[in-house]
Formats: sequence, structure tokens, C-alpha cells
Amino acid sequence: DAGVTQSPTHLIKTRGQQVTLRCSPKSGHDTVSWYQQALGQGPQFIFQYYEEEERQRGNFPDRFSGHQFPNYSSELNVNALLLGDSALYLCASSLDEAGSAFEQFFGPGTRLTVL
Amino acid sequence: GDSVTQMEGPVTLSEEAFLTINCTYTATGYPSLFWYVQYPGEGLQLLLKATKADDKGSNKGFEATYRKETTSFHLEKGSVQVSDSAVYFCAQGARNEKLTFGTGTRLTIIP
Repeated sequence: DAGVTQSPTHLIKTRGQQVTLRCSPKSGHDTVSWYQQALGQGPQFIFQYYEEEERQRGNFPDRFSGHQFPNYSSELNVNALLLGDSALYLCASSLDEAGSAFEQFFGPGTRLTVL
Repeated sequence: GDSVTQMEGPVTLSEEAFLTINCTYTATGYPSLFWYVQYPGEGLQLLLKATKADDKGSNKGFEATYRKETTSFHLEKGSVQVSDSAVYFCAQGARNEKLTFGTGTRLTIIP
């Protein structure tokens, strides 16, 4: 079982550019959530995808958008990058199953640096 | 809204010392509670979980009990090792909803 995988590992962009981050969920999982973790902080929820639809969204601007594909993999897109978007972006997957503890399994993250 | 407050760090202990990291939560419903650990340069790993009041989660010598009356989920370990050095995050979440994390507690164990 490969677990949750993310690509790329690191990324350097300049202000105003656009970026796409990718995530493959753990085998058997159908739900993908994205989090932003600034240096020295806890992860902050961006949004969650289930059945190719955005199910829940955190307090992030519309510059942050996402997509989920039929194979449950997901992308996070950020437009018009700002310096403050520099962070570790974490993808987490889970299984929407009644009676579960709703565990989310995290990938290693993508470190985005905006210059 | 839902929130998690955890003990501020950093915490430095000697090897074999007893560890407690405090965590309290506020929630409108009945969330599951989690402790995640993050090693340098890595993502988050689930350490332990509890789904209802009085449940005790345990893993690798770490324990935490879901206390509804005090809205707490304190992490404990009887004898820490150097390899336990990491950042620990307390979190809450419910089915089909986001996880809400605390700010993290950096733990350093000295040989």
C-alpha cells in the first residue's frame, strides 16, 4: 500500500504565478482534504472533495481551487500567488464510511515557496 | 466555532522522563479526537485516536483519554525516548468534516 502520495515535493514560484499540486489518496479511500501549514503553525483546512465535488471549504479565498478525478486523485490550484502562500501543503485521504473514526491519512506534503 | 488549544512549547525533557502535553477542545457536536506527530521534513502521522467519551487511545507507549466533562484529550507517555522528538498536534474532527488542529507542541528529548 503506497499510502498518500503528493507531487511535487518542492516548488518555487514567483508572485502572481499559478501553481498546481497533485495528490493520490491511500488505496480504498474516496475523500481527499487539503490543508495549508505555515511554518510553526498547525495545518489549516482549505477544502475537502468527495465524489468529485467540493463538500466543505475553509476560510480561503477563491484563488484556491481544486478538483477530484474519478480515480479519487485530486489537484489543488492556487492562482495569483502571494508571498503569504508560502507553506507546506498537505493532502489527506479518508474513507467516507458509517461508523468509522474518520481517520485522515496525510501525505508528505508539497513545500511551496513564493518569491 | 470548533477549536483546539494545546500546550505551548517547546518542551524539553530528559530521556525516560514522564511526558504530558495538554489539549482541550471546544466543539458544537461530538467529535473524534486525534493526536498526530510530525517529524522534521515530513507530513503528519496519526499517533492515536478516540471516538467517544472515556475512550482511551494508545500507540507506541503514548496514551490519551477522551474526557467530555473537561473537554480534554491530554497526551501522556511514561518514559520518553530520543526518537520521540517531534512536533505533536492535537486535532478534532467529525465524519465528512474537516480536522481542526492545535498549533502544535515541539518536543525535544535529551539523552
